[in-house]
Amino acid sequence: SYELTQPPSVSVSPGQTASVTCSGDKLGDKYASWYQQKPGQSPVLVIYQDTKRPSGITDRFSGSNSGNTATLTISGTQAMDEADYYCQAWDSNTVVFGGGTKLTVL
Amino acid sequence: QLQLQESGPGLVKPSETLSLTCTVSGGSISSSGYYWDWIRQPPGKGLEWVGNIYYSGSTYYNPSLKSRVTISVDTSKNQFSLRLSSVTAADTAVYYCARPLSQAFDVWGQGTMVTVSS
Repeated sequence: SYELTQPPSVSVSPGQTASVTCSGDKLGDKYASWYQQKPGQSPVLVIYQDTKRPSGITDRFSGSNSGNTATLTISGTQAMDEADYYCQAWDSNTVVFGGGTKLTVL
Repeated sequence: QLQLQESGPGLVKPSETLSLTCTVSGGSISSSGYYWDWIRQPPGKGLEWVGNIYYSGSTYYNPSLKSRVTISVDTSKNQFSLRLSSVTAADTAVYYCARPLSQAFDVWGQGTMVTVSS
């Protein structure tokens, strides 16, 4: 079965740029999506189709996807960005999620 | 504005069947082109896709759960449902219903916690 791998944790200083990676075999041939989840809340879509932002999502969030790695980039990171982030892709009519990355804003 | 709301028992005994319903409001479940999905999240863990259904009734399931999962749709009530049989403590999770668009889940329910315990 298809797998997506994320680092368990990423730390960033306020105002700096955070990058969260998601790795999978030929992931660049699929669309990657990213979700932000804060404690006790449902996930929120922040990036879809590799690079697109849903309406209402700040342009500090951006995405890329090439080769075997998709990357979520958060520029000018703020305390409010501290959350768990999950990548997601479709493979053979099934949905796969990465294990999640806890972003800490120090 | 499309909204999803999960409902069902919060406690299920081991070996029994978990049953949940997702009620769709603000739109029709019969809208062409949309699948309707279930996703779960064990306490302190990541997201796991359970499966989905098209309004016509065609389904896809997570291979690891396929033998125990049934997803059905009731277009007259604008609802879709999840049944998971032979549950164990490993099935304890928050269960979300969600709607994918452009291969991403843009609408989620608030989630419902289901505990498997005697």
